[in-house]
Amino acid sequence: GAGVSQSPSNKVTEKGKDVELRCDPISGHTALYWYRQSLGQGLEFLIYFQGNSAPDKSGLPSDRFSAERTGGSVSTLTIQRTQQEDSAVYLCASSLGLAGVDEQYFGPGTRLTVT
Amino acid sequence: GDSVTQMEGPVTLSEEAFLTINCTYTATGYPSLFWYVQYPGEGLQLLLKATKADDKGSNKGFEATYRKETTSFHLEKGSVQVSDSAVYFCALHLSGAGSYQLTFGKGTKLSVIP
Repeated sequence: GAGVSQSPSNKVTEKGKDVELRCDPISGHTALYWYRQSLGQGLEFLIYFQGNSAPDKSGLPSDRFSAERTGGSVSTLTIQRTQQEDSAVYLCASSLGLAGVDEQYFGPGTRLTVT
Repeated sequence: GDSVTQMEGPVTLSEEAFLTINCTYTATGYPSLFWYVQYPGEGLQLLLKATKADDKGSNKGFEATYRKETTSFHLEKGSVQVSDSAVYFCALHLSGAGSYQLTFGKGTKLSVIP
């Protein structure tokens, strides 16, 4: 079946502009995660959605970052007033939302470059 | 806090060489441990996992054993191929209320040359 998809695959934007990154999770997966992969760094957790529960936004680096998930499926990560340090690969993952070990399936990522 | 430390790369090996990528962790509880692989231009894929001490995860010729006494989960393969060239990430997950995200190491880039 289809995996996690993300769009766009690449985004170049000017400093100060807003960007929206999209994630389509695997059908039936109730949990959705956003991570950021910066050059020389590991993957940094950003935000987590589980069903209709309030999202865990504890990983968002600043209030310029926000995310929503409509209808329990598609998610959009928005970065306002982008800065050069926002340049990274943004990865989305989804999972069944099981208790215990819950395998996460990752999308190919969106490479964001802020000039 | 919880953390994962893995050997820095890049690692360059000749085809059929033995591979070890070291990974150690710090966690407040008893985590599940994972190795993810990221091939060029692709997303992360789960390579193998182990959920309790002394478990051995294996897949595609790769193995890793959960060593609680040394808090380690080293990745090994007896004979690497060019197609194994990728970035490898060690990660942990702590089960429990409010605990769901993976904590990753920084990744180790492996290049296998013919």
